[in-house]
Amino acid sequence: ETGVTQSPTHLIKTRGQQVTLRCSSQSGHNTVSWYQQALGQGPQFIFQYYREEENGRGNFPPRFSGLQFPNYSSELNVNALELDDSALYLCASSGPPGQGITNYGYTFGSGTRLTVV
Amino acid sequence: AQRVTQPEKLLSVFKGAPVELKCNYSYSGSPELFWYVQYSRQRLQLLLRHISRESIKGFTADLNKGETSFHLKKPFAQEEDSAMYYCALLLFNAGNMLTFGGGTRLMVKP
Repeated sequence: ETGVTQSPTHLIKTRGQQVTLRCSSQSGHNTVSWYQQALGQGPQFIFQYYREEENGRGNFPPRFSGLQFPNYSSELNVNALELDDSALYLCASSGPPGQGITNYGYTFGSGTRLTVV
Repeated sequence: AQRVTQPEKLLSVFKGAPVELKCNYSYSGSPELFWYVQYSRQRLQLLLRHISRESIKGFTADLNKGETSFHLKKPFAQEEDSAMYYCALLLFNAGNMLTFGGGTRLMVKP
C-alpha cells in the first residue's frame, strides 16, 4: 500500500506566475483534499475533489483551481501568484465523503513548499 | 462560523509528567473531532478520532460538549511525544472540510 505522494517537494516562483502542484492519492482512496499551511499556522482547507468534481471549497479565490483524474490523482493550480501564496501545500486523501472520512480520517502527503519571490 | 482554538503555542514538560493539550471549538452542529500529530521531519498523521474513543500511544481525548472542548491528555509524557499537535473539526456540510487549530508544540524534556 502506497501513501500520498506530492511533487515537487520545493518550488520557487516569481510573483504573477502560475504553478501546478501534483498529488497521488493513497491506494484505495478516491477523495483528495488540498490544504495551505502558512508558517506557524494550522492547515487551511482549499478544496476537495470526489469523483473528479469539486466537492467543497474553502475561502480561497478562484485563481486557486484543481483537477482530479480518473485514477484519483489530483492537481492544484494557482494563477497570478502573490507573495502571500508562499506556504506549504498539503494534499490529503481519504475514503468517500462521510463515513470514509469519519472512520479513517485523512492521509496527508509531505507537502510542496512553494516560495513566491 | 466554525472555529478551533488551541490556546498554547508551546507546552514544555518534563519526562514522566502529565500532559494536557487544550482544544476548544465553536460549532453549532454535532462535531466530529480529531487530533493530528506531526513529528519532526515527518508528515501530518492522524492520532485520535473522538468517535472511536480509542487510546493511541497512551493519549486520550474526551469530547465535552458543554465546554466545547476536546483536550488531549497523557498521564506520563515520553521524550518521543515531542511533536506538533493539531486539533481539527470535520464539517460534512462544507465539502468534508477539516478546520484546524493553530497547533501546539509539545516539548518533553529529559
